[in-house]
Amino acid sequence: AQKVTQAQTEISVVEKEDVTLDCVYETRDTTYYLFWYKQPPSGELVFLIRRNSFDEQNEISGRYSWNFQKSTSSFNFTITASQVVDSAVYFCALSEEERGATNKLIFGTGTLLAVQP
Amino acid sequence: EAQVTQNPRYLITVTGKKLTVTCSQNMNHEYMSWYRQDPGLGLRQIYYSMNVEVTDKGDVPEGYKVSRKEKRNFPLILESPSPNQTSLYFCASSLGGFTEDTQYFGPGTRLTVL
Repeated sequence: AQKVTQAQTEISVVEKEDVTLDCVYETRDTTYYLFWYKQPPSGELVFLIRRNSFDEQNEISGRYSWNFQKSTSSFNFTITASQVVDSAVYFCALSEEERGATNKLIFGTGTLLAVQP
Repeated sequence: EAQVTQNPRYLITVTGKKLTVTCSQNMNHEYMSWYRQDPGLGLRQIYYSMNVEVTDKGDVPEGYKVSRKEKRNFPLILESPSPNQTSLYFCASSLGGFTEDTQYFGPGTRLTVL
């Protein structure tokens, strides 16, 4: 069965520190998609990244980077030089392609990141 | 402005009193979904729709109904709400399936069932 685990419930860092949010997933499918979403204190959910299972290249977008490792079933998210505006709940999510499941999205329980000034 | 809107934003009701939470998008998106967010459980998908008159169950559909009579609207119906449906609800839409296209979320509806 598919599952997404975000073991870190809360992380607190001081501004300018680097921080990595862990995401471990379980799936029996060979084709699947992984996502990260951000939920700032205002409550809305914002899409950050989508990655398919055949693309293991790491991705960098400004201060954000993602490390996808199929060998460990992980899709970790790193924020470099964190800022107070990065304070939010971050969700990792999984969607599987087989059995018509691409419209089903399984979320992890989220990691609350608090960046202190 | 491209957006997903939900109404109401806050609702307090009593057990058994039917209610509808509306969701509307102005981006001509095909796909729409409903999620609920609960502490310690993250977000869970309730229902999704791939187009008008095409809907399917997510992970937690029990106690909910949806309809998709028009492309822009995807209301969530609670025929007989119970306290365990107290939650924060999000509607979302995407042009195609979200494995291909970005999913946009509404602002959320906080529902309390007494």
